[in-house]
Amino acid sequence: AQSVTQPDIHITVSEGASLELRCNYSYGATPYLFWYVQSPGQGLQLLLKYFSGDTLVQGIKGFEAEFKRSQSSFNLRKPSVHWSDAAEYFCAVGGDDKIIFGKGTRLHILP
Amino acid sequence: DGGITQSPKYLFRKEGQNVTLSCEQNLNHDAMYWYRQDPGQGLRLIYYSQIVNDFQKGDIAEGYSVSREKKESFPLTVTSAQKNPTAFYLCASSIGGWNQPQHFGDGTRLSIL
Repeated sequence: AQSVTQPDIHITVSEGASLELRCNYSYGATPYLFWYVQSPGQGLQLLLKYFSGDTLVQGIKGFEAEFKRSQSSFNLRKPSVHWSDAAEYFCAVGGDDKIIFGKGTRLHILP
Repeated sequence: DGGITQSPKYLFRKEGQNVTLSCEQNLNHDAMYWYRQDPGQGLRLIYYSQIVNDFQKGDIAEGYSVSREKKESFPLTVTSAQKNPTAFYLCASSIGGWNQPQHFGDGTRLSIL
């Protein structure tokens, strides 16, 4: 069955520190993976996507994600966070007949 | 600029009342989607449409209805049969297929009076 798990509901990091948000998926074939970001009261914005090829994908706003098939993971990273990165982040896996979103990880930034 | 417009941003519903949420896109996308977002539950699919004049139920379609008479428009009606309608509703569009990224509107927050 197709599923997505984001193990961390909340994460707090200091401004300037590095960030890694975890995403684990379950899907029988090669998955189509996405990371979205949502600011309060707004819609979701696509950060990056993985379809095939290079397992390290670059996105907008300085984010990157690495696809690891052996670990069924697609973790989102940023080397140095800014206060404006405070938001909720959603991982999603698309397949042949549906897309599943994780429940989200809320990122808090300490000044 | 191309994008998705949802209106209104805030909506209030009285008991027994149907309300309609608007979603318009000028991205020339074939597919459109409606999601419901509740705190801590991520996004749940209500209805989707892959082409004009056709739509399918998602995971939580009960108490909702849609139409897709034009490519640009995909309105969602929350009927009185939906007993717990208070939520944040998001409309999205894509070029089609579940393996394509979706573009989202800024949402409508529906509350019960």
